[in-house]
Amino acid sequence: QKEVEQNSGPLSVPEGAIASLNCTYSDQGSQSFFWYRQYSGKSPELIMFIYSNGDKEDGRFTAQLNKASQYVSLLIRDSQPSDSATYLCAVQNPPGGSYIPTFGRGTSLIVHP
Amino acid sequence: KAGVTQTPRYLIKTRGQQVTLSCSPISGHRSVSWYQQTPGQGLQFLFEYFSETQRNKGNFPGRFSGRQFSNSRSEMNVSTLELGDSALYLCASSLQAGDVDEQFFGPGTRLTVL
Repeated sequence: QKEVEQNSGPLSVPEGAIASLNCTYSDQGSQSFFWYRQYSGKSPELIMFIYSNGDKEDGRFTAQLNKASQYVSLLIRDSQPSDSATYLCAVQNPPGGSYIPTFGRGTSLIVHP
Repeated sequence: KAGVTQTPRYLIKTRGQQVTLSCSPISGHRSVSWYQQTPGQGLQFLFEYFSETQRNKGNFPGRFSGRQFSNSRSEMNVSTLELGDSALYLCASSLQAGDVDEQFFGPGTRLTVL
């Protein structure tokens, strides 16, 4: 059974700091990795995806992937109180496997002023 | 381009009733997936429809069913509602045209079963 593990948190960081969110996965065939942000009472919003080993940057967000260690992370630079949310990691393994992503339970991030 | 829409946004039902939720995907997206989200279980996959066919199904009882129409709009139905069915029901659509398939979620339907 495919598993995606995330620390539930909460992870508390001061405003302006770097928040580091981590995710591990069990299926070695996983190919694509997604980070979603979900505000309380709202639906998940796609932040970014990554499928190659290394780093991918998008504004204040950087996704890091290490397939050998089955580990993906999300760094948020210059964290703002508006970044306070739950961050969901999702793992997918097309084209040979299913497009249906497996989601972690999410990490709650609190950015305090 | 309009996002994924879901109706209704909120529903209150009593045990034993049935409910139908609707989802309109992003234009051009042929895949629609449904999820149930609860505080205790997180985001759980219900089923996925592609070109009017159910292609994948999660581990939910037969009381949960769905369908997809030729315009890719989808509905899910829950019969004989139980208290434990209270949850946020999310619909997500995707293109499924390449190696990376991004799912985009609708705002969800908050179902409360009394």
